[in-house]
Amino acid sequence: AQSVAQPEDQVNVAEGNPLTVKCTYSVSGNPYLFWYVQYPNRGLQFLLKYITGDNLVKGSYGFEAEFNKSQTSFHLKKPSALVSDSALYFCAVRMTAGNKLTFGGGTRVLVKP
Amino acid sequence: DAGVTQSPTHLIKTRGQQVTLRCSPKSGHDTVSWYQQALGQGPQFIFQYYEEEERQRGNFPDRFSGHQFPNYSSELNVNALLLGDSALYLCASSWGDRVRRSPLHFGNGTRLTVT
Repeated sequence: AQSVAQPEDQVNVAEGNPLTVKCTYSVSGNPYLFWYVQYPNRGLQFLLKYITGDNLVKGSYGFEAEFNKSQTSFHLKKPSALVSDSALYFCAVRMTAGNKLTFGGGTRVLVKP
Repeated sequence: DAGVTQSPTHLIKTRGQQVTLRCSPKSGHDTVSWYQQALGQGPQFIFQYYEEEERQRGNFPDRFSGHQFPNYSSELNVNALLLGDSALYLCASSWGDRVRRSPLHFGNGTRLTVT
């Protein structure tokens, strides 16, 4: 069975500092990996995905993620965090065709001015 | 370009009642899936519809059922509501049910409270 773990419930960072949100996965085979962001009382917004190829994936709003197959990780990063990046972030994996995504438990990011 | 729209935004029901939630997919999308997001947790996959048929199902009881219409819109029905069904229900859409690389587009959800 596939699973996704986000080891940190919350990440606090000062505005302008680098932001990292951790994600590890457990699957058999080659995963398709996704990051989504959720603002209060809203649905999930797609940030970026890893399908194949370059291990560094660039996405929306200045976010990027690094796929590491040996460590089974897909950490989300942003070089300089903004207060407006404060939100709930979810890592997800899709193994089969179709719309079933398996999500991690989420990491709340708080960026302080 | 309209995104995924869901109705209603909020709903309060009593235990044992039945509820119907509605979803219109993003323009150009033909596949709809439903997720349940309990407070403080990640979304859990309920099921997916394509060509008006249920194609995949998560680990949810038969009390959860759905339907997809010819215009690709969808309904989620939950019977015999339990307190534990209280959650944010998210609808997501995409193009093609066999396309793994296509990201899902989510609606803002329906907040269901069961009392």
